[in-house]
Amino acid sequence: GESVGLHLPTLSVQEGDNSIINCAYSNSASDYFIWYKQESGKGPQFIIDIRSNMDKRQGQRVTVLLNKTVKHLSLQIAATQPGDSAVYFCAETVDTGRRALTFGSGTRLQVQP
Amino acid sequence: NAGVTQTPKFRILKIGQSMTLQCTQDMNHNYMYWYRQDPGMGLKLIYYSVGAGITDKGEVPNGYNVSRSTTEDFPLRLELAAPSQTSVYFCASSSLGWTGTTVSSGNTIYFGEGSWLTVV
Repeated sequence: GESVGLHLPTLSVQEGDNSIINCAYSNSASDYFIWYKQESGKGPQFIIDIRSNMDKRQGQRVTVLLNKTVKHLSLQIAATQPGDSAVYFCAETVDTGRRALTFGSGTRLQVQP
Repeated sequence: NAGVTQTPKFRILKIGQSMTLQCTQDMNHNYMYWYRQDPGMGLKLIYYSVGAGITDKGEVPNGYNVSRSTTEDFPLRLELAAPSQTSVYFCASSSLGWTGTTVSSGNTIYFGEGSWLTVV
């Protein structure tokens, strides 16, 4: 079946370093992708999104890259801070008619001081 | 800015009991969703609604029911609670507009804070 998955379940980085979180998706029909941050005990929080007609999108300290050829999505966080420690999910639309998302299993980012 | 509000935050149910998780949003979004998240896992869609009076099943609808009598409210009903329904439940909402060429954070899905449910 269609799925969205992540390569690394846990990523540990030093404060100030750049972080890269990867995600693979299998549905070539997906046309919209979102990265969410989820802190312990809270709901997912929107970080950045990208449509399939784009390769790159930048936000504040974050960049999302989309490689449709290999069905790969990545989230880059510049100058990682302790407050960035959380679980990060990528999500995709598999049915734009209902606007629902398929989520990956998540990557935990641990920022070491 | 209330956004998406869920109640209760925590609940313990006995097997066979029923309950309703309440969800309301004040953003006038047409689309609303219920997801469940098991420990260490991503979110799975239970039910969704594209507007008042319209609901449809998601990936894991068994054991649940929903209704959408107003744009603002989308309650989730558990009729006969089972241990397998122990999970964290998230309500979410979104507006239309994903067919456009402009990417906008205003078109994304907004989540509530979650409801922790334990069935014993």
